[in-house]
Order: sequence, then structure tokens, then C-alpha cells
Amino acid sequence: GAVVSQHPSWVICKSGTSVKIECRSLDFQATTMFWYRQFPKQSLMLMATSNEGSKATYEQGVEKDKFLINHASLTLSTLTVTSAHPEDSSFYICSARTGPATGELFFGEGSRLTVL
Amino acid sequence: AQSVTQLGSHVSVSEGALVLLRCNYSSSVPPYLFWYVQYPNQGLQLLLKYTTGATLVKGINGFEAEFKKSETSFHLTKPSAHMSDAAEYFCAVTPGAAGNKLTFGGGTRVLVKP
Repeated sequence: GAVVSQHPSWVICKSGTSVKIECRSLDFQATTMFWYRQFPKQSLMLMATSNEGSKATYEQGVEKDKFLINHASLTLSTLTVTSAHPEDSSFYICSARTGPATGELFFGEGSRLTVL
Repeated sequence: AQSVTQLGSHVSVSEGALVLLRCNYSSSVPPYLFWYVQYPNQGLQLLLKYTTGATLVKGINGFEAEFKKSETSFHLTKPSAHMSDAAEYFCAVTPGAAGNKLTFGGGTRVLVKP
């Protein structure tokens, strides 16, 4: 199957700094990528839908100025957590669609953010 | 709008026993349904999916699920549990072909006892 890779897998940062997480589709072009957040022992919550070449669509309650999403190419979407605080500590997972709306979704391995 | 309910946040089974994970959904349009597995500190791997056609779908690692429209259910089963099946399992729904905007259930953690 298609491969989606996230980097970094683990990141620790100080409160107030910004952190960038990358999501790459390695062997296919992804016009749409999705970003999820997962708290410990909980389910995945969709944060935003990232479309190549246009602004991301954020879910209700997600601060777009806090979680900046850029989808500059068909193989890369980035999530930047700005001015991170301890409550932003979480597991962030991206997924990418291989084709049209019926295309299968493939998930990255996740990125664990810890804000001290 | 759609939603997913997974009954039981934790399930404990003996190795070799039947695994049954329950999932009920609600959707205003014909749904696409999915089961994913997540191992610790990893992303999600697709086990199986139902889109249209045959209501009994077979997936990887010996898992299968049956779509029952009348019961709005999509329960996941495996006849004989293996130690490697210990993981978190998520049921998810998307409204047909409308954009793959998945809604996940709360997850069920499976523990396999030797």
C-alpha cells in the first residue's frame, strides 16, 4: 500500500516555542491530507483538512492561528503548533488520500509532541 | 452528520478464543465503514472496509466484519485470537464518497491472555 511518513516521530519543546510536524506521501500524490489529534487513551479527533494549494479547513473549536497548516505540494503538508503550551502535548497523526473522494486513506505513524 | 459508538473500551480474550468488537454507527446517508488497528505509538493501519456490495467483508490478519443496515452495526470478529492482536481498534464512518472525512469511535483496547 501507499506510504505516509511523518517527521519527527517524537519532539520535546519548551513552552512558548513553535514546532513543525511534516507529513509526506512517499509514493503517491495527495491532493488532500487530514490532521488528527489523539489524547492518551482516547480516539482521534479531526483537526483540519489540508488541500494542496489552498487554505486548510479547520474543524469547529480548532484554533487556526494556533495550528498552522500548509500544503504547499502534492506530497507534503505541515502542521505548525505555534507558541506551544503543555496542553498542546498530544499525539498528532496525519492521513492522506490516494485519489478522488473514494480513494483510500493512509495514515502516518504519528508524531508525539511534549511541551515542557 | 455521523457518529460511531464502540461498546466496551477494553476487551480481554484468551489466546485462541473468539474476538468480538462491537461498533454501531449513525449516518444520514449510506455510510462507508472502516476498522483500523493501532499499535502503541504508531499510526493507524486499515484492517478492512465496507463501501458497497457484499455485507461481509474480510480483512487482514484473519479479521472480518459484517455490515448490518437494519441494526446499524459493523461488528469486527476474529475466530481465534493471537497474542499479536493485542492493540487498540477503531471503528470509523464516512458519509459515502463525500470526502473521506472520517469520524472515529472511542476505540477498544484488546488484551490477549496466554
